[in-house]
Amino acid sequence: KAGVTQTPRYLIKTRGQQVTLSCSPISGHRSVSWYQQTPGQGLQFLFEYFSETQRNKGNFPGRFSGRQFSNSRSEMNVSTLELGDSALYLCASSSRLNTEAFFGQGTRLTVV
Amino acid sequence: AQSVTQLGSHVSVSEGALVLLRCNYSSSVPPYLFWYVQYPNQGLQLLLKYTSAATLVKGINGFEAEFKKSETSFHLTKPSAHMSDAAEYFCAVITTQDTDKLIFGTGTRLQVFP
Repeated sequence: KAGVTQTPRYLIKTRGQQVTLSCSPISGHRSVSWYQQTPGQGLQFLFEYFSETQRNKGNFPGRFSGRQFSNSRSEMNVSTLELGDSALYLCASSSRLNTEAFFGQGTRLTVV
Repeated sequence: AQSVTQLGSHVSVSEGALVLLRCNYSSSVPPYLFWYVQYPNQGLQLLLKYTSAATLVKGINGFEAEFKKSETSFHLTKPSAHMSDAAEYFCAVITTQDTDKLIFGTGTRLQVFP
């Protein structure tokens, strides 16, 4: 069974640009969550989708958005990039709420 | 709101020594607790989980953790450290009050010396 796949693995963007990250969950998993990991703030929850509905959102500005498609694949978008958005963005999928999350390898975003 | 606290951002042990990584949780309702490991430039891998069944939970790579409600703790242990255990370890909690997100601790970096 294939794991969680995140693309791309690495990304370099310029301040002010926007970026879209993609996550394909494990087959059959309907819940997808996104996390931002930085050395200073650690792992912070961005948002969670279940059956195409955003069920929870972390404390991030509106520049961070996401969506989930009918096949459970998810994308997150960050607009008007800032230097502080440089981070490892991790996606996790689970079969249902309250079960363990399986993580992808992450997308390393560098904003210059 | 629930939270987890990991005591010690860095832990160093010798190869073959006991590994003890500490995690305390705060939750007003029964929690589900997890330990994850992260190797450099990788995502997080689940080591073990507590979901209100047995209080002593065995995970992968020889790790185990014991849920102690009286101490609100879920410490991770391994009897004998291997060089390959060097990584960052995260404790996380999820509860029925907030079912949609894992709350992570700040992580503990484990170094293993030969």
